[in-house]
Amino acid sequence: DGGITQSPKYLFRKEGQNVTLSCEQNLNHDAMYWYRQDPGQGLRLIYYSQIVNDFQKGDIAEGYSVSREKKESFPLTVTSAQKNPTAFYLCASRPSGEYSPLHFGNGTRLTVT
Amino acid sequence: RKEVEQDPGPFNVPEGATVAFNCTYSNSASQSFFWYRQDCRKEPKLLMSVYSSGNEDGRFTAQLNRASQYISLLIRDSKLSDSATYLCVVNPSGSARQLTFGSGTQLTVLP
Repeated sequence: DGGITQSPKYLFRKEGQNVTLSCEQNLNHDAMYWYRQDPGQGLRLIYYSQIVNDFQKGDIAEGYSVSREKKESFPLTVTSAQKNPTAFYLCASRPSGEYSPLHFGNGTRLTVT
Repeated sequence: RKEVEQDPGPFNVPEGATVAFNCTYSNSASQSFFWYRQDCRKEPKLLMSVYSSGNEDGRFTAQLNRASQYISLLIRDSKLSDSATYLCVVNPSGSARQLTFGSGTQLTVLP
């Protein structure tokens, strides 16, 4: 079955360490996204990519980095510069077409202590 | 004013009840609209797209009111399994960059 896979589901890190969250999709979607969700808040866009080897900053890109070397993969690195990294991270993709809906992975819950 | 606003609830309703949520948006040029369902500590899942003429999927009806700039979701004959947070999503222009999420409305269906 086609879908979006995020790993790991839960991740624990010490403050000051960089950490990379994996996102893989086999839906053949061109566009991929990373969102962050905090309790009681809407999803906020971190980075997005519409084609391979190209990506753009979202609303809260500071302290994060991404790469898009393959169509299927869009990993997110949370760096030590991110001041408040503990959150629920959601990867999404969507097909071509201006008004297509997003499809989400199952998320990674990151806790930094 | 927030770009997309939802009443956070919680809405507590008895099983079998009809419940409706609204979501207001500020950009009158908005072109596409969606309702997502999110269970506790899980990812959002697409419930339905919202079309200009309104659309229905079983017990769920979505409507768009462009004049007043809101979309609505109506759930008839509520089930226990409908308990979740309902997110509205608005896309002003079709641009990937501008998809905007509401904070969600929490629904609990009580036995």
